[in-house]
Amino acid sequence: QSALSQPPSVSGSPGQSVTISCTGTSNDVGSDNGVSWYQQPPGTAPKLMIYDVTNRPSGVPDRFAGSKSGNTASLTISGLQAEDEADYYCSSYTNSASWVFGGGTKLTVL
Amino acid sequence: QVQLVESGGGLVKPGGSLRLSCAASGFTFSDYYMTWIRQAPGKGLEWVSYISSTSSYTNYADSARGRFTISRDNAQKSLHLQMNSLRAEDTAVYYCARGRCRGTSCPPDYWGQGTLVTVSS
Repeated sequence: QSALSQPPSVSGSPGQSVTISCTGTSNDVGSDNGVSWYQQPPGTAPKLMIYDVTNRPSGVPDRFAGSKSGNTASLTISGLQAEDEADYYCSSYTNSASWVFGGGTKLTVL
Repeated sequence: QVQLVESGGGLVKPGGSLRLSCAASGFTFSDYYMTWIRQAPGKGLEWVSYISSTSSYTNYADSARGRFTISRDNAQKSLHLQMNSLRAEDTAVYYCARGRCRGTSCPPDYWGQGTLVTVSS
């Protein structure tokens, strides 16, 4: 199972919006299986930010929004804050009942 | 609150074995599937294996199949990963994570802090 494709890095200034893409195939992102997004600040465990493409777990700010079109999912962070600086990973369940992650995107808040 | 605490990591020689454990608390362990995910130093996340809530179903990444065995003890609220024939490329932080719901298509929500496995001679 090949990893999902994410840009290595994105950046934005405080208050701006950034979007991170996640491209897979019809067997994972493009299927009816949910896409999820994780935030991982340096030296910490990943935290679930989005599940089932668009849903936010309790406690996640509504500045974080997920979407999907075809084989590409996206995470948009609006109103960037310094605390948002972290690595972000997308993930998808696959049609072969396995999980696949993206390579990760480093978000820098300028 | 949900807590997952991994243990059992360490330094092992290539070809050796290691058994990781994960102690769960703060939720009804037997209601959720559990998974292991690893992260090589400076690299991304890689799913390793999962086990259903009743141990009736397991699945493994190709990199783990045939060498790793996942198991759980619902009475003890613990998850395990037996790793055999270890290779240098298995060096990683291994995270224990809880599936968000019973089905294995539910994404992991809570993660432990991880345990480091280093495979080196």
